[in-house]
Amino acid sequence: NAGVMQNPRHLVRRRGQEARLRCSPMKGHSHVYWYRQLPEEGLKFMVYLQKENIIDESGMPKERFSAEFPKEGPSILRIQQVVRGDSAAYFCASSPLQETQYFGPGTRLLVL
Amino acid sequence: DQQVKQNSPSLSVQEGRISILNCDYTNSMFDYFLWYKKYPAEGPTFLISISSIKDKNEDGRFTVFLNKSAKHLSLHIVPSQPGDSAVYFCAAKNTGTASKLTFGTGTRLQVTL
Repeated sequence: NAGVMQNPRHLVRRRGQEARLRCSPMKGHSHVYWYRQLPEEGLKFMVYLQKENIIDESGMPKERFSAEFPKEGPSILRIQQVVRGDSAAYFCASSPLQETQYFGPGTRLLVL
Repeated sequence: DQQVKQNSPSLSVQEGRISILNCDYTNSMFDYFLWYKKYPAEGPTFLISISSIKDKNEDGRFTVFLNKSAKHLSLHIVPSQPGDSAVYFCAAKNTGTASKLTFGTGTRLQVTL
């Protein structure tokens, strides 16, 4: 049973470009969560999605950031017009119901 | 406002001895707690959890203790092994109202030979 998959593992963008981060949850998991970890900090919640629905986006910046979890395909975290402060590790987690969350390996975004 | 705190950024323990990692929380609505272990360049790996209706949960070498009145939990690893060297994160959630996890800032455990 494959774990949570994230790609790309590393992403380099110049300021003003768009970043798209993908997450495929574990088989049978319909709940997806995105977290961000800045250097030397803990993980901070961004958004919680179920298939085709955003359940909780209280941790998502109001501008430039969006997330989706379509009926088919992976969940996507999209960052438009990236700035240097967006450089961080972005982790996706999934769970079968509202239970223990299992994390993917993360995408490390570097904005030049 | 840091609702989950891990006040020790690092801890060094000799192989075979006990490692004790501590975590404090301020939100009394938290009722489910988890510990994750993280190696560099990898995602957090779930270790063990505890519900607020219990005060202890054990899984092999790992035991988590919860003191609700003190809003404190701890993770005990016995015996410690070199492979346990990693960053350990404490996380908490309110199962009634939210699914999101609130994480502490982590404790880096170094198990020496």
